[in-house]
Amino acid sequence: NAGVMQNPRHLVRRRGQEARLRCSPMKGHSHVYWYRQLPEEGLKFMVYLQKENIIDESGMPKERFSAEFPKEGPSILRIQQVVRGDSAAYFCASSTGGGDQPQHFGDGTRLSIL
Amino acid sequence: GENVEQHPSTLSVQEGDSAVIKCTYSDSASNYFPWYKQELGKRPQLIIDIRSNVGEKKDQRIAVTLNKTAKHFSLHITETQPEDSAVYFCAAPQRGSNYKLTFGKGTLLTVNP
Repeated sequence: NAGVMQNPRHLVRRRGQEARLRCSPMKGHSHVYWYRQLPEEGLKFMVYLQKENIIDESGMPKERFSAEFPKEGPSILRIQQVVRGDSAAYFCASSTGGGDQPQHFGDGTRLSIL
Repeated sequence: GENVEQHPSTLSVQEGDSAVIKCTYSDSASNYFPWYKQELGKRPQLIIDIRSNVGEKKDQRIAVTLNKTAKHFSLHITETQPEDSAVYFCAAPQRGSNYKLTFGKGTLLTVNP
């Protein structure tokens, strides 16, 4: 039973380019969460999605960041016109439901901006 | 929003000793408290969680206790082993949400052989 799959594991972009991060939830999970982690920091909630719906994007910057979870395929976190401050590890988690259902994390994507 | 304070930030113990990490939270309505273990460069791994209807939960060498009155919960690791060395994070739901987790800043646990 594969866990949460994220790709790529590492992504290098130059300032101004776009970054696309992908997340496939665990089998049987229909709820996806994206978190951002800076070095030596805890994880910060960004966005919560279900299939074809953004439930809560209150932790995501209003500009340049967007997320989707289409009917078919993985969830995508998209960052347009990246800046140095976007460098971080981005983790995806999934669960069977909202509420107090355990969230299981993927291996993350480490984004570096040159 | 929810405020989660975690202490200590670093903890060094000898193999075989116990380790205790404490977290406090601010929202009295919070009802779910997971703990994650993160090894360097790896994913946060859920190791134990507790819901507010119980005061303690154990899983082999790991236990979590919850004091709702004082709004704090603790992770206890007994008979520590070198492979327990990692960063441990506590989390609690943000105010008004039971899915949006606020994480503590983490505790770097080092178990010395």
